[in-house]
Amino acid sequence: KNQVEQSPQSLIILEGKNCTLQCNYTVSPFSNLRWYKQDTGRGPVSLTIMTFSENTKSNGRYTATLDADTKQSSLHITASQLSDSASYICVVSAGYNNDMRFGAGTRLTVKP
Amino acid sequence: DTEVTQTPKHLVMGMTNKKSLKCEQHMGHRAMYWYKQKAKKPPELMFVYSYEKLSINESVPSRFSPECPNSSLLNLHLHALQPEDSALYLCASSQAQGFGIQYFGAGTRLSVL
Repeated sequence: KNQVEQSPQSLIILEGKNCTLQCNYTVSPFSNLRWYKQDTGRGPVSLTIMTFSENTKSNGRYTATLDADTKQSSLHITASQLSDSASYICVVSAGYNNDMRFGAGTRLTVKP
Repeated sequence: DTEVTQTPKHLVMGMTNKKSLKCEQHMGHRAMYWYKQKAKKPPELMFVYSYEKLSINESVPSRFSPECPNSSLLNLHLHALQPEDSALYLCASSQAQGFGIQYFGAGTRLSVL
C-alpha cells in the first residue's frame, strides 16, 4: 500500500478557476513534505517544501498547507492558467535516511 | 546556477549494447539521485548517492550500474537492458539526502529495442 495517497487522480478545470489537490500520508517519522509540478516529458520542478512546524507556504499562485496532526496536505491553485496543466506530485520524506515516498500524482488539465 | 544537466536527451539502444547516462550539477549539492519514470506514473527512486557514497539502492537489477566520480557528476551505466527498461530516466540533486529543494534534470528518454 502506498504510504502517500493523492486525490483526485485527475482533474479538469476551466481557465481562471481555483482548485485544490489533496495529499494524505502515513509515513513516519515525518521530516518534510514537498509538492512538485511536472510537465509532460520534463523533470519535476519544486513548488514548496514544508517541515513539521510549517502549516502554510505560498509560491505565487500556489499555496500548500500541511496538517501534521492529521497527516494531510493540500495544494491550492488560484486563478488557474493553461500553463498549470501538468502532473502535481506530493513527496514525503521520513525516517533516519529521509527516505522519500512519492504519491501517484494528480493530473491537472486547464481548459480555455 | 540551479541547473541539473543530463545527457543525452534521447537514447535508443539494443539489448546487447553498453551505454551511459550522465548527470552534472554545480550547486555544491552532496546528494544525487537516479529515478526511473514510466508514462503517467510518478518517478521511482533507483539510487541515492550521499557525499559520493552509494546510500540507497532500491533493489535495482545489476544491468544498471551507478557511478559517482566526484561531487558534481553522476553516471548510470547500462548493459544488457530489456525492452521494459524503456522509460524516462531522471537525475536530481539536493543539498543533503532528503533535505533542501531537490532539483531535477530534464531527463533522458531511453528506448530499448
